[in-house]
Amino acid sequence: DTGVSQDPRHKITKRGQNVTFRCDPISEHNRLYWYRQTLGQGPEFLTYFQNEAQLEKSRLLSDRFSAERPKGSFSTLEIQRTEQGDSAMYLCASSWTAGNTIYFGEGSWLTVV
Amino acid sequence: KNEVEQSPQNLTAQEGEFITINCSYSVGISALHWLQQHPGGGIVSLFMLSSGKKKHGRLIATINIQEKHSSLHITASHPRDSAVYICAVRSPSSGGGADGLTFGKGTHLIIQP
Repeated sequence: DTGVSQDPRHKITKRGQNVTFRCDPISEHNRLYWYRQTLGQGPEFLTYFQNEAQLEKSRLLSDRFSAERPKGSFSTLEIQRTEQGDSAMYLCASSWTAGNTIYFGEGSWLTVV
Repeated sequence: KNEVEQSPQNLTAQEGEFITINCSYSVGISALHWLQQHPGGGIVSLFMLSSGKKKHGRLIATINIQEKHSSLHITASHPRDSAVYICAVRSPSSGGGADGLTFGKGTHLIIQP
């Protein structure tokens, strides 16, 4: 069990470019969450999956953001036409059904220049 | 929407001191998490509790459901305890279904040798 892993850990991109982050949850976990964290703030919910089904999306997830979990295992978060306001850390977390401890990844830092 | 307030925002103490971090929330919850975040981003879950008190090593977490308040204590603090400590509450009114978490902004703790 290697925990929740995220890739890349750091990404610097020019405004207008697309970026994609990947999250590999703990293997037996069926719930996967994406959060966004800016400096000095706590994480904010973006979206979550139960297996391959995306069950909820936050209003923070504009139409430039899309998340997938095609086989109920790893997930990707894509940001199209990045803006400077997208600069943040994108955190992935996973858990085994409801009511259990949530395990977080190391986060993917995005800087849009 | 649940509001989660932590205090203090910043805390600097000397090695060996007893540390208390407080968390208050505004609506009913099913559980409360205390999380530790080190520079670089990774978050580690310290405790998940829904009543009473839990202890792990030098860390103690308590919760008072009636008063909507929780505390995290660190005994015999050490420089390696320096991190951001985040309180997160689980309630259906948070994003993420029944396991939705609303996070506080965190308490930045520095323990000086």
